[in-house]
Amino acid sequence: KAGVTQTPRYLIKTRGQQVTLSCSPISGHRSVSWYQQTPGQGLQFLFEYFSETQRNKGNFPGRFSGRQFSNSRSEMNVSTLELGDSALYLCASSPEPLTGYGEKLFFGSGTQLSVL
Amino acid sequence: DQQVKQNSPSLSVQEGRISILNCDYTNSMFDYFLWYKKYPAEGPTFLISISSIKDKNEDGRFTVFLNKSAKHLSLHIVPSQPGDSAVYFCAASNAGGTSYGKLTFGQGTILTVHP
Repeated sequence: KAGVTQTPRYLIKTRGQQVTLSCSPISGHRSVSWYQQTPGQGLQFLFEYFSETQRNKGNFPGRFSGRQFSNSRSEMNVSTLELGDSALYLCASSPEPLTGYGEKLFFGSGTQLSVL
Repeated sequence: DQQVKQNSPSLSVQEGRISILNCDYTNSMFDYFLWYKKYPAEGPTFLISISSIKDKNEDGRFTVFLNKSAKHLSLHIVPSQPGDSAVYFCAASNAGGTSYGKLTFGQGTILTVHP
């Protein structure tokens, strides 16, 4: 089975631009989560999607948004980019919606976004 | 507010010895704790987890200990191998309330195992 695929692998943007990142979950997985990783901050939860619906959202400004398609693929969008948005954006999938009972997440390799 | 903290940014250990990675948390509502390992240029991979109703879980060379009264957990790797060199993240989840779907991660600890 192919793992979680994230595209593109690297992205360079300038302040004020917007960006769209893509994630294809493991085949058969229906839940997709997004995390932002920055040095010293660990991974910060952005949102989780299941059945094309956002189930939960982290403490990020409205510039961060996402969506999920009927084939479970997901995209996240960041508008009006700021320097502080430079980070590794990780997508993770799981077979079913997360309940908090210790379900495993399967992560992709991430998209490294640099904002200049 | 950092609810999960890994206070040691790095740890260096000799091959064959024990590696102990520590994690502290502040939210007593966490129900599960997980450890993930991350190699450079790869996504984190699940290592081991423990329910809040247990105090120990073992899987091969990896054992996680949970001390609820101290709000502290630790990951023991015995014996350590050079291939264990990676960043280790502690994470926690809450099965109730509005936090479903969310893992709260620590900042990570870089483990280096020297041959």
